[in-house]
Amino acid sequence: QSVLTQPPSASGTPGQRVTISCSGSSSNIGSNTVNWYQQLPGTAPRLLMYSNNQRPSGVPDRFSGSKSGTSASLAISGLQSEDEADYYCAAWDDSLNGAVFGGGTQLTVL
Amino acid sequence: QLQLQESGPGLVKPSETLSLTCTVSGVSISSSSYFWGWIRQPPGKGLEWIGSLYYSGGTYYNPSLKSRVSISVDTSKKQLSLKLSSVTAADTAVYYCARHDQWLAHGMDVWGQGTTVTVSS
Repeated sequence: QSVLTQPPSASGTPGQRVTISCSGSSSNIGSNTVNWYQQLPGTAPRLLMYSNNQRPSGVPDRFSGSKSGTSASLAISGLQSEDEADYYCAAWDDSLNGAVFGGGTQLTVL
Repeated sequence: QLQLQESGPGLVKPSETLSLTCTVSGVSISSSSYFWGWIRQPPGKGLEWIGSLYYSGGTYYNPSLKSRVSISVDTSKKQLSLKLSSVTAADTAVYYCARHDQWLAHGMDVWGQGTTVTVSS
């Protein structure tokens, strides 16, 4: 059971906008910023978003993030086939004094 | 360019100690204000943070693994090490090392490619 809660799956057709939610608590998302990671099949996770809504260099602006209270969201607009991957949210948890991840959301591009 | 590379035995027997190494190239582990962490992913499952070591030596461990985990650094070899004792089949996973800053403010921005460890007799 993951500390952060994500839907196990999401889907969309090419060109659509898809959002993935991440729910936490006051000790993690409520107190610290949220990161998002993309994991393509058979590869290591890649940082997609940090500080709730900041994109590292090289991440397309089709990806955006937001946070409100103890929840966060990742939005992907103009969905492309190469976006098919697993997406994980993460945050630091002040109570556990460590990093916590969501269970991951498998995104399918139909 | 910063690169991380995990290495270690791919097969460990139950009840034994799993030992992995993460070799850091492109930056000095001890001269930058970063944390160096270990994360694992069981087959078909999600990511689990194991623990992190601050560049000056302080460590933080996942409470669920704390009694069995030890993370240390050999700055002369530019290596981060992970030891997990009394392993069971539940410890079978891909193990990653990654760099991050305090409170994950800028996320885990550099990851190794991962190394697969199977616990089996």
